[in-house]
Amino acid sequence: SQTIHQWPATLVQPVGSPLSLECTVEGTSNPNLYWYRQAAGRGLQLLFYSVGIGQISSEVPQNLSASRPQDRQFILSSKKLLLSDSGFYLCASRPGAMDTQYFGPGTRLTVL
Amino acid sequence: DQQVKQNSPSLSVQEGRISILNCDYTNSMFDYFLWYKKYPAEGPTFLISISSIKDKNEDGRFTVFLNKSAKHLSLHIVPSQPGDSAVYFCAASAGGADGLTFGKGTHLIIQP
Repeated sequence: SQTIHQWPATLVQPVGSPLSLECTVEGTSNPNLYWYRQAAGRGLQLLFYSVGIGQISSEVPQNLSASRPQDRQFILSSKKLLLSDSGFYLCASRPGAMDTQYFGPGTRLTVL
Repeated sequence: DQQVKQNSPSLSVQEGRISILNCDYTNSMFDYFLWYKKYPAEGPTFLISISSIKDKNEDGRFTVFLNKSAKHLSLHIVPSQPGDSAVYFCAASAGGADGLTFGKGTHLIIQP
């Protein structure tokens, strides 16, 4: 079975600072990878997904970007954080032969 | 426009009784539905899913029912246990590599 790692677990950053969140997946090959954000009291919003190395699809226009430099690595970045970027960021993996997505433990980002 | 709706923000059920969580959707293209359980500051945990070609799927204490004509699904937990207290998210997929569309969640509280 696969394991999804996310780091850091928590992060407090000032407005205007850069961001890099990392997600790595073990136990599967060529998964589809996803970034979601959960804002306070809200559901999960899809931000980006990737079907392979270097392939990124964006779901909503925003201050963030994503990259997939390796098959099982997915990175969420920003050049300059906004207050509205605060939230709980979740990485998910969908193994190739399955319809179900599995989530990592998440990163709590607070922008001050 | 919210395509997946969970109209009950919270639900309180006595231990040992049945918990019924409801979810409605509007997009006719959705063909795969999932339920996730989430504790605070953790990633969602996959519980159970159902394909649109079925109307029921059962896994231990958890059963999901799908009514396609009404665009409605429900999750039944019986008997309810204290460890079931969490936020439950309904999610839907239209197939392909796209991400999931989530409802806003229902906070289930199991009372002793």
